[in-house]
Amino acid sequence: GDSVTQMEGPVTLSEEAFLTINCTYTATGYPSLFWYVQYPGEGLQLLLKATKADDKGSNKGFEATYRKETTSFHLEKGSVQVSDSAVYFCALSGNNQGGKLIFGQGTELSVKP
Amino acid sequence: NAGVTQTPKFQVLKTGQSMTLQCAQDMNHEYMSWYRQDPGMGLRLIHYSVGAGITDQGEVPNGYNVSRSTTEDFPLRLLSAAPSQTSVYFCASRKGRTLNSNYEQYFGPGTRLTVT
Repeated sequence: GDSVTQMEGPVTLSEEAFLTINCTYTATGYPSLFWYVQYPGEGLQLLLKATKADDKGSNKGFEATYRKETTSFHLEKGSVQVSDSAVYFCALSGNNQGGKLIFGQGTELSVKP
Repeated sequence: NAGVTQTPKFQVLKTGQSMTLQCAQDMNHEYMSWYRQDPGMGLRLIHYSVGAGITDQGEVPNGYNVSRSTTEDFPLRLLSAAPSQTSVYFCASRKGRTLNSNYEQYFGPGTRLTVT
């Protein structure tokens, strides 16, 4: 079945460092890909999405490009802030899943001043 | 527009007790779902619904029941709580009923459940 694999955390960075969180997926057909963010004590919020190959999603300085050839959707940010500390989830919505989201296990990011 | 609301925020149950987690949305979304979040496992789908009167099972449905009598509400019932059901539960909703949806899912704030 469809699945999502993320790099394990926690990831600890200093403020203004470059961030990459790796995400790869397995799916039949052409899924839509998402990054969700969960701040402490809160529910998940959509950060960005891409619906077809080579699409780039971007929001709040974060970017991810849908790479069908490598089945990847890595999250990047050029300069992280303390306020970016959160758990980040990669997810897909595929053709054969009834519109359900399949999540990766989440990557905790901690940014130190 | 309150979005997706969940009650209660916290709950402690004893093994064998039953309870209902409430979920409501005011966005007229067709699709609603329940997930559980456990450390190192991401979110796993329990049950979902594509409209009033229609429900289906997700990855981990055992021990849980749902119903969808209205578009707005999607309660999750634990019939006989077990310690393995200790988790954080999230309700979510989105537009549309179709497969492979790229509509954003909106999540509630979660219910933290402990079963002793």
